[in-house]
Amino acid sequence: QVQLQESGPGLVKPSGTLSLTCAVSGDSISSINWWSWVRQPPGKGLEWIGEIFHSGSTNYSPSLKSRVTMSVDKSKNQFSLRLTSVTAADTAMYYCARMGYGADEYFHDWGQGTLVTVSS
Amino acid sequence: EIVLTQSPATLSLSPGERATLSCRASQSVSIYLAWYQQKPGQAPRLLIYDASKRATGIPGRFSGSGSGTDFTLTISSLEPEDFAVYYCQQRSNWPPPLTFGGGTKVEIK
Repeated sequence: QVQLQESGPGLVKPSGTLSLTCAVSGDSISSINWWSWVRQPPGKGLEWIGEIFHSGSTNYSPSLKSRVTMSVDKSKNQFSLRLTSVTAADTAMYYCARMGYGADEYFHDWGQGTLVTVSS
Repeated sequence: EIVLTQSPATLSLSPGERATLSCRASQSVSIYLAWYQQKPGQAPRLLIYDASKRATGIPGRFSGSGSGTDFTLTISSLEPEDFAVYYCQQRSNWPPPLTFGGGTKVEIK
């Protein structure tokens, strides 16, 4: 069973940069999976942010593409999210997740989530 | 971007009753649709993928059907632990974006 654990600051100032890391255990970050970020504003639905493959190939949500960067650290078996120029609208629970590849591109495993609040 | 519309927004039922949840796509997604369950304070959990395949460990009372633009998640007989929010998600088009529906809350009547 793959386990994922998000970490990072719970409070970010407006116009600042949100940075989160997802540590993966039980599987190699170099396995044939997409590694994703999904967020959920308080009391609202799920929003896909983007995904990264171990090669560094990425796909981002068009609505966030200009502000998002994802990266992989194979030596630490983890992947990261960076979101710039944040506003209160970016306040959300942020989940990292493992997706399958190709015909199996669904969110099979999830982290517990980490709440990020954007406030001064 | 493919928009997924879930209905109803809230479903009020009693334990033992049958729940029928709908997800409609703005364009065909073939069978490339999944359903997730989310309980308060928890991450979502994959229930159904490819419209009708149960994920590992999911009880047989959960079933999915549909193709193209119209999909249904059925819970044949609600157990107390099934009261939660359910989301559909599509992975039809490449490259992404992947999209989720707005969710259906199944609450105790």
